[in-house]
Amino acid sequence: AQTVTQSQPEMSVQEAETVTLSCTYDTSESDYYLFWYKQPPSRQMILVIRQEAYKQQNATENRFSVNFQKAAKSFSLKISDSQLGDAAMYFCAYRHNYGQNFVFGPGTRLSVLP
Amino acid sequence: EAQVTQNPRYLITVTGKKLTVTCSQNMNHEYMSWYRQDPGLGLRQIYYSMNVEVTDKGDVPEGYKVSRKEKRNFPLILESPSPNQTSLYFCASSPGGHASTDTQYFGPGTRLTVL
Repeated sequence: AQTVTQSQPEMSVQEAETVTLSCTYDTSESDYYLFWYKQPPSRQMILVIRQEAYKQQNATENRFSVNFQKAAKSFSLKISDSQLGDAAMYFCAYRHNYGQNFVFGPGTRLSVLP
Repeated sequence: EAQVTQNPRYLITVTGKKLTVTCSQNMNHEYMSWYRQDPGLGLRQIYYSMNVEVTDKGDVPEGYKVSRKEKRNFPLILESPSPNQTSLYFCASSPGGHASTDTQYFGPGTRLTVL
């Protein structure tokens, strides 16, 4: 079975600085998708960024980018120019190429300090 | 407005009293899922459905039932709730079809407490 690990239960960053959240996963599959979701205090789940495993190029969405290391099974999220609104719980998630069985990590709570 | 709705948003009940949490989406999505969120465990998938009358177990299906009689609705049923099912529950839907465009849309969550 696939597993997703986020080794940092909590992180903090100064406003305007850069922070990296770690995620590792375990799978025997070669074709899959990885996601980062943000959950602010409102509890709404918001997709931040998505990466297809067959793509070598790292995904980027504005201030959010990933460092995808397929061989190491690592998928970290970098947030540049951190803003107060980035404060939230961040979840890393895995999904095989087919089907709808998603596996989420335990989450990292990010605080942004003014 | 495109959305996933869940009802109720909050529920306090007692052990053994059957309950249903409804989920509805207005985006004509093929896929729907139920998750529970617990501190330190993240979200765990309970059940998912890839089409009408097609459902499959996720990672933690014990104690839950689902049905998908209509494309838009995917209710979660707890036949005999127990205190260990106290949790925050999310319903989600996604379009299906080409996997690269398959983004999940989440409902607002249902906070369930079983006494």
